Amino acid sequence: AQSVTQLGSHVSVSEGALVLLRCNYSSSVPPYLFWYVQYPNQGLQLLLKYTSAATLVKGINGFEAEFKKSETSFHLTKPSAHMSDAAEYFCAVSLPTGGTSYGKLTFGQGTILTVHP
Amino acid sequence: NAGVTQTPKFQVLKTGQSMTLQCAQDMNHEYMSWYRQDPGMGLRLIHYSVGAGITDQGEVPNGYNVSRSTTEDFPLRLLSAAPSQTSVYFCASSYSRGTSGGRSYEQYFGPGTRLTVT
Repeated sequence: AQSVTQLGSHVSVSEGALVLLRCNYSSSVPPYLFWYVQYPNQGLQLLLKYTSAATLVKGINGFEAEFKKSETSFHLTKPSAHMSDAAEYFCAVSLPTGGTSYGKLTFGQGTILTVHP
Repeated sequence: NAGVTQTPKFQVLKTGQSMTLQCAQDMNHEYMSWYRQDPGMGLRLIHYSVGAGITDQGEVPNGYNVSRSTTEDFPLRLLSAAPSQTSVYFCASSYSRGTSGGRSYEQYFGPGTRLTVT
């Protein structure tokens, strides 16, 4: 079974500062990893995903994440925060399975990012 | 494409009432799923379907029923609502796209239904 832990339920940064949201996973096989963003009263939008290609993954809105197998981590970063980045962020894991099997998503608890002017 | 649509957006039920949350997608995705979102718990999988006529339980299936008669629709039924089912419900759809060594299962989410059970 797979699991995800997001360290820090709330992260607060100043506009222009580095954003770092932490995600650690547990999986018996090399996983697929995802970061989703949820703006207030909206659904989830995919930011980026790791599917066993390049370990440094670039996503939308200037975000990127690095898969580190030795640390079982997939932390999300952005060099310079913008006010519009304020949202809740979810890390999720699924196991790559072949055939007609369904890759169930297991989500972390979420991290609320606040950006101060 | 409208993507994944959900109705209603908001619903208030009394304990013991039944209702169906509707979900539809127009992307011809074979996989569909229902999640509930509760504060501090992320999203938890309720039920999922890998194609028309095929459904299975997720992490928190108790109190919910599903069926999948068409590729497009995946309704979620609450037979006897309880206050513990107060939550935000998200429907998602996904597809398998062949990549070396597996499938990506990228999921597309609907806007959600906010349900309150009193």
